[in-house]
Amino acid sequence: EVQLVESGGGLVKPGGSLRLSCAASGFNFNPYSMNWVRQAPGKGLEWVSSIDPSTHYIYYADSVKGRFTISRDNAKNSLYLLMNSLRAEDTAVYFCARLRQGIKGGYYFDYWGQGTLVTVSS
Amino acid sequence: YVLTQPPSVSVAPGQTARVTCGGDSIGSKSVYWYQQRPGQAPVLVVYDDSDRPSGIPERFSGSNSGDTATLTIGRVEPGDEADYYCQVWDSSSEHPGVFGTGTKVTVL
Repeated sequence: EVQLVESGGGLVKPGGSLRLSCAASGFNFNPYSMNWVRQAPGKGLEWVSSIDPSTHYIYYADSVKGRFTISRDNAKNSLYLLMNSLRAEDTAVYFCARLRQGIKGGYYFDYWGQGTLVTVSS
Repeated sequence: YVLTQPPSVSVAPGQTARVTCGGDSIGSKSVYWYQQRPGQAPVLVVYDDSDRPSGIPERFSGSNSGDTATLTIGRVEPGDEADYYCQVWDSSSEHPGVFGTGTKVTVL
């Protein structure tokens, strides 16, 4: 059974840092691109970042570029998100999601974790 | 790339709900739909415009043409009440992951 389990969320002051982790199990982690998606309280889904298996292709949303860093450790089947210079607007549940390619060439998120809550407040 | 959805759709049990997702030439892209119940992670209900993952009822279907993709939920049940999001992957962009604004489906 595919499982994605996020951890590392919590309360942090504005300007602070936090590192999220996502532990993957039940599938071969190496061939898959992995992503972070977040959801602010009462708001919609927002894609945050993506990393390919080789870490050569990394993408960020404009809202986090320059502040967040995505990484992965294929030997540990783990995905990470280092978040610096946190702002109140970064408050959200952060989901880890596996990216899969569709038959027609598009990409989608076929498995999601349950999310970890990050609260940025003084 | 921007995907626009109506904030809410209301439907009586047993009727059909249609959720639209508007985007520039979205018909040229593959569209994916997710259902999200309160406090839960999103669940894929339609992929590649119109296919269903295993375990998703046949009542869920999708279409995509021109500037609009549509998720159709037939014979709506109370358990279908949830938020629904469309999604595309814009490979030509530095920010490829794109979600729609989300639609709250309410079963009357």
